[in-house]
Amino acid sequence: GAVVSQHPSWVICKSGTSVKIECRSLDFQATTMFWYRQFPKQSLMLMATSNEGSKATYEQGVEKDKFLINHASLTLSTLTVTSAHPEDSSFYICSASLLGALGHNEQFFGPGTRLTVL
Amino acid sequence: GQNIDQPTEMTATEGAIVQINCTYQTSGFNGLFWYQQHAGEAPTFLSYNVLDGLEEKGRFSSFLSRSKGYSYLLLKELQMKDSASYLCAVRDYRDDKIIFGKGTRLHILP
Repeated sequence: GAVVSQHPSWVICKSGTSVKIECRSLDFQATTMFWYRQFPKQSLMLMATSNEGSKATYEQGVEKDKFLINHASLTLSTLTVTSAHPEDSSFYICSASLLGALGHNEQFFGPGTRLTVL
Repeated sequence: GQNIDQPTEMTATEGAIVQINCTYQTSGFNGLFWYQQHAGEAPTFLSYNVLDGLEEKGRFSSFLSRSKGYSYLLLKELQMKDSASYLCAVRDYRDDKIIFGKGTRLHILP
């Protein structure tokens, strides 16, 4: 159990366009979802924390108007990269939080979405 | 804030043992995670420590000392497939966020 999916798995777009990435918890309802970004050979950087029905909380330095997050239900969060530019090319990974058997909130990661902006 | 340090790269030989260290500083510690990440893939969970001591899981073990802000991941009987990045991550109890270190790229030589 505890499977998280992301769609699309990869996307190539032209500079200036917007791209939407979906993150779904397939077999559980996630209290919280997180969005990370990872540049080549670097670690995961937390972008924002997303709670269902409320506004996302963005990390310092992340532009909320550029990275729009919508958390419409307990199983779906979307990240829209607006007016994408080549520097936005990265690996975007979501995770969903669930109270696990270990007695704490476990985070389950999606497979990631590789965005390439031309 | 949080600060997590781990070596950038390590090299070990197939069949050997390697220890990857992680030190952290945080004001709201609520658990330390180790993840494995192969190139181009999402991280996969390896271990979780919230109390001091050693947690063993097959070939992998993880140790935590909260007073020292220190953890290590021990990998035994190394296999070529263990070549990956190993990420140390710390959770903050105040907001449940998991913050990752920069990761240690482990190279396994035959």
